[in-house]
Amino acid sequence: DIVMTQSPDSLAVSLGEKATINCKSSQSVFYSSNNKNYVAWYQQKPGQPPKLLIYWATTRQSGVPDRFSGSGSGTDFTLTISSLQAEDVAVYYCQQYYSPLMYTFGQGTKLEIK
Amino acid sequence: QVQLQQWGAGLLKPADTLSLTCAAYGGSLRGYHWSWIRQSPEKGPEWIGEINHVGNITYNPSLKSRVTISLDTSKNQFSLKLRSMTAADTAVYYCARGYYFDSWGQGTLVTLSA
Repeated sequence: DIVMTQSPDSLAVSLGEKATINCKSSQSVFYSSNNKNYVAWYQQKPGQPPKLLIYWATTRQSGVPDRFSGSGSGTDFTLTISSLQAEDVAVYYCQQYYSPLMYTFGQGTKLEIK
Repeated sequence: QVQLQQWGAGLLKPADTLSLTCAAYGGSLRGYHWSWIRQSPEKGPEWIGEINHVGNITYNPSLKSRVTISLDTSKNQFSLKLRSMTAADTAVYYCARGYYFDSWGQGTLVTLSA
């Protein structure tokens, strides 16, 4: 299985400041044949299912504010919130879909307001 | 965008079989992968398995011996059965579309009581 490890486990950021969440995969999730990284990012608020934010590591899902961005390649990926808003308080997960036999998620990063 | 609505019994006894169904409204099952995912309290999501519109199925190896996922294209629905339930299977169960998951069901809390 490809293990996805997020850091930090929790993060407190002031309103308007930048938040950065990291995700490391245990093996590369980059396919050279199509030049794509098979990583997605989700936001989950209490009592709700996860919401897709980013796919192909950098593509923002329709309707997601542009303060959310994804970066990285190979085994190291980052979700950045450029200017934290109160409604961004949530748990964030990365996921790999490189292995069609077993999709896996990170353990989650809890984002709070400082 | 497609809306997923799921249903099924949420209170089971040990050794029971969990049965959940997910219906897709506003879109066809054709051309997509359809997954079941579960999430234990305070943990990251765990992928259970998927089926595509022609009936090709992949299961999480750790659950493969107890899981069946099936499709009913005439009703635009897909289903999950998980046999021999134990306390370790207590979780919120979701249906979702894709391999990066852009639509999710509302979730079903599944608990066990003797």
